[in-house]
Amino acid sequence: GDSVTQMEGPVTLSEEAFLTINCTYTATGYPSLFWYVQYPGEGLQLLLKATKADDKGSNKGFEATYRKETTSFHLEKGSVQVSDSAVYFCALSPQQTGANNLFFGTGTRLTVIP
Amino acid sequence: NAGVTQTPKFRILKIGQSMTLQCAQDMNHNYMYWYRQDPGMGLKLIYYSVGAGITDKGEVPNGYNVSRSTTEDFPLRLELAAPSQTSVYFCASREQLATYEQYFGPGTRLTVT
Repeated sequence: GDSVTQMEGPVTLSEEAFLTINCTYTATGYPSLFWYVQYPGEGLQLLLKATKADDKGSNKGFEATYRKETTSFHLEKGSVQVSDSAVYFCALSPQQTGANNLFFGTGTRLTVIP
Repeated sequence: NAGVTQTPKFRILKIGQSMTLQCAQDMNHNYMYWYRQDPGMGLKLIYYSVGAGITDKGEVPNGYNVSRSTTEDFPLRLELAAPSQTSVYFCASREQLATYEQYFGPGTRLTVT
C-alpha cells in the first residue's frame, strides 16, 4: 500500500546550519508529495508541495525535489533559524484517490539553537 | 476567515464515557477529514466526507462515528471511550478542485483513563 518513510528525529541544529530531512515513499503511479509543518500548539500547515516528477517545491527558504527514480522528496534549507523549530511531516496523496486522502510520515522534530 | 476550528482543545474522559469532538470550517470546503496523531507516529485518517450527507471510513474508523449535516460542520463521536483512543485529533478541510492542499485545525488532545 501507499506509505511514507521519514527520517527519525529529533534533529538539533545551530542557527544558520544546513538542514536535510529525508523522506522516501511507496506508491503506485504518480502521487503528489507534500511537506507540512507543525509549530508548537498549532495544527499542521502546508509548507510546500510537488505534483509531478522533477518538480521542485519551495517556500520560506525550504526546498524539496520530487525524485521519481529514487522515490524521494527530501526537505532542505540552507540556513535554519530559531523560528524554524517545529515538527515536519512528509506526506503523499495517491494518484487515484477520489477524496485525495493524505498519507503521513511519522514526523521529524527540529530544534534550532541560537 | 477563522479557517478550521476545533473544540475542545483538551479533554479527559473516563473509560466508557462518550463525547463529541467538534469541527467547523468557514471556507465553504466540500471535503473534510478527521485524523488522529499518536505519540511518535504520523497522522492516521479516521473518517472523511466529500460533502454534506456523505461520509466514508478511513484507515482507523473503529470506535468512532461521524455525521455531516451541513457543509460547515463535521463532528466526530466517541461512543465508549477506551485508553487506546488517547491521542491528538485533527480536523482538516479542502476545496474540491484544489491541488490537494488540506487546511488543518489546531487539534484536540484527548486522554482516556
